[in-house]
Amino acid sequence: QKEVEQNSGPLSVPEGAIASLNCTYSDRGSQSFFWYRQYSGKSPELIMFIYSNGDKEDGRFTAQLNKASQYVSLLIRDSQPSDSATYLCAVNERRDNYGQNFVFGPGTRLSVLP
Amino acid sequence: NAGVTQTPKFRILKIGQSMTLQCTQDMNHNYMYWYRQDPGMGLKLIYYSVGAGITDKGEVPNGYNVSRSTTEDFPLRLELAAPSQTSVYFCASSFLDPGLEAFFGQGTRLTVV
Repeated sequence: QKEVEQNSGPLSVPEGAIASLNCTYSDRGSQSFFWYRQYSGKSPELIMFIYSNGDKEDGRFTAQLNKASQYVSLLIRDSQPSDSATYLCAVNERRDNYGQNFVFGPGTRLSVLP
Repeated sequence: NAGVTQTPKFRILKIGQSMTLQCTQDMNHNYMYWYRQDPGMGLKLIYYSVGAGITDKGEVPNGYNVSRSTTEDFPLRLELAAPSQTSVYFCASSFLDPGLEAFFGQGTRLTVV
């Protein structure tokens, strides 16, 4: 089983600040990387995905990938109280027999303080 | 557009009872997955399926069984429920392409007492 690690937090930032969430993964063969947001008692929902080294921006969110360091991060600019949630990093894993699986990290709980 | 639908949303089982968690998707996805999420933890894969008639074990399959007779449905069977199976269960689905995201159902909160 491949490993995905995240700081469990909680990470507290003031409203309007930049929140930085980090993730490392063990499988060098991983090709696709995902950030999911999960509100308490709800199911995960996709925030961003990234395949290539470098940065990918979508609104207030920027995903950064460094395959050499096996590191992926998510920056949230101008953080809002509504961003308070658990952020799950997920990595695509190729299975031995068939196909694929998504391996999830334990999640980082983010709290944005008004 | 329903996406991934799970039933029931909540359930309390007594030790030793059995039940089936239902999961249906209407997106014509090849892949379907069952995860469990314990408090403060990430998602652990129980079983997955790459298509009708094909299933495989994930990281934590003991105490569970699955079947996939159609593209749409992927039920999870709990036999002889144990307190260790108290968790939130999520069904998810995705296309074959490894670059594409997984879509999740609303989850089933199961308590075994």
